[in-house]
Amino acid sequence: DSGVTQTPKHLITATGQRVTLRCSPRSGDLSVYWYQQSLDQGLQFLIQYYNGEERAKGNILERFSAQQFPDLHSELNLSSLELGDSALYFCASSVEASFYNEQFFGPGTRLTVL
Amino acid sequence: QKEVEQDPGPLSVPEGAIVSLNCTYSNSAFQYFMWYRQYSRKGPELLMYTYSSGNKEDGRFTAQVDKSSKYISLFIRDSQPSDSATYLCAMLGIQGAQKLVFGQGTRLTINP
Repeated sequence: DSGVTQTPKHLITATGQRVTLRCSPRSGDLSVYWYQQSLDQGLQFLIQYYNGEERAKGNILERFSAQQFPDLHSELNLSSLELGDSALYFCASSVEASFYNEQFFGPGTRLTVL
Repeated sequence: QKEVEQDPGPLSVPEGAIVSLNCTYSNSAFQYFMWYRQYSRKGPELLMYTYSSGNKEDGRFTAQVDKSSKYISLFIRDSQPSDSATYLCAMLGIQGAQKLVFGQGTRLTINP
């Protein structure tokens, strides 16, 4: 158990819908990361937050957005869902955001868009 | 072309064999090199990380980085069935933000 929690574990929804994925980082970690894992693209970095502020962006679609709240938990919002958004979404956390800090991954949320 | 290339396998070897996993990359800015292990339906967990070139050993695992060839390897000695998992290489530059770039992952099965 990494100490990172994600809810829900599974999510099944329809195209065009909007969903929210939630992540709680390890105690003491200030930085949160979101990743998408699909069979064709592999594990891809989406976005990083540090202590409530956006720190870095990857190939995140405009339909996706995220935020980190004062209690450091984070939410990833996915809207206007398409079939291709079906994937595993992982949250990771680390102590800091600069230089190398080990990222601890949560168990993931499996999203299925029908 | 992807920044990090990794053969997805699958790779199947008998118990006790030496396993060699590798990745190539194109971005010379990468300075940190990591290997993650991911069991089915679980999140990735860090196995080893190396800064710049060289070797690093941890028990049955050895990580090697050759920056001149842009090539990294993970060796597993005396492989066990419990080593069966997907192994992902990951890389990071020194940019003030930790944007890990992952390889596709190699699915490994160790047969008893």
